[in-house]
Amino acid sequence: DTGVSQDPRHKITKRGQNVTFRCDPISEHNRLYWYRQTLGQGPEFLTYFQNEAQLEKSRLLSDRFSAERPKGSFSTLEIQRTEQGDSAMYLCASSFGLIEETQYFGPGTRLLVL
Amino acid sequence: SQQGEEDPQALSIQEGENATMNCSYKTSINNLQWYRQNSGRGLVHLILIRSNEREKHSGRLRVTLDTSKKSSSLLITASRAADTASYFCATALTDDYKLSFGAGTTVTVRA
Repeated sequence: DTGVSQDPRHKITKRGQNVTFRCDPISEHNRLYWYRQTLGQGPEFLTYFQNEAQLEKSRLLSDRFSAERPKGSFSTLEIQRTEQGDSAMYLCASSFGLIEETQYFGPGTRLLVL
Repeated sequence: SQQGEEDPQALSIQEGENATMNCSYKTSINNLQWYRQNSGRGLVHLILIRSNEREKHSGRLRVTLDTSKKSSSLLITASRAADTASYFCATALTDDYKLSFGAGTTVTVRA
């Protein structure tokens, strides 16, 4: 399977704990995006990378959130000191940048903060 | 805030019927994309239409784009039970790559 993969698929944590999610994009894609989706809503943009450079962050991304994409391959999204309001589906997508604008999404990581 | 807005919020049709949903947006776009999402899963890309295009087809899907009205429509012909899902439109602004999604249309196809 050469699609976007995310790990874990589900995460249950207690308030105050740190969590980290991983996204592996389609191998030749240079752009990688993170979105967050809450129940009954469409995804909302969080941040994106072109290769290893983080080019834009949404105001939704508080200081407790950090994302990295070392070496321009996989990416991690870490949430520190989780809050109940962080409960959501975290979606990763990748695209081939200027050549192909279509964003291909992974299956998502569903986070529940108790 | 979300740029796109789908209408209706929910749609229930009989298998074999056509389903039409609309998307309106607020600012000039580079392209508009339609996605499908089955319950609790990731998004599947359906069609991308660029701002200089007016209509695109893919199998049983037809997408139109009217940039003067800032609106798009997605038509699913001869619907099947497997088309039951939420459908989202997403816009990419000029010189921008992130997508802005609407809240989606939930389509239920009854057998």
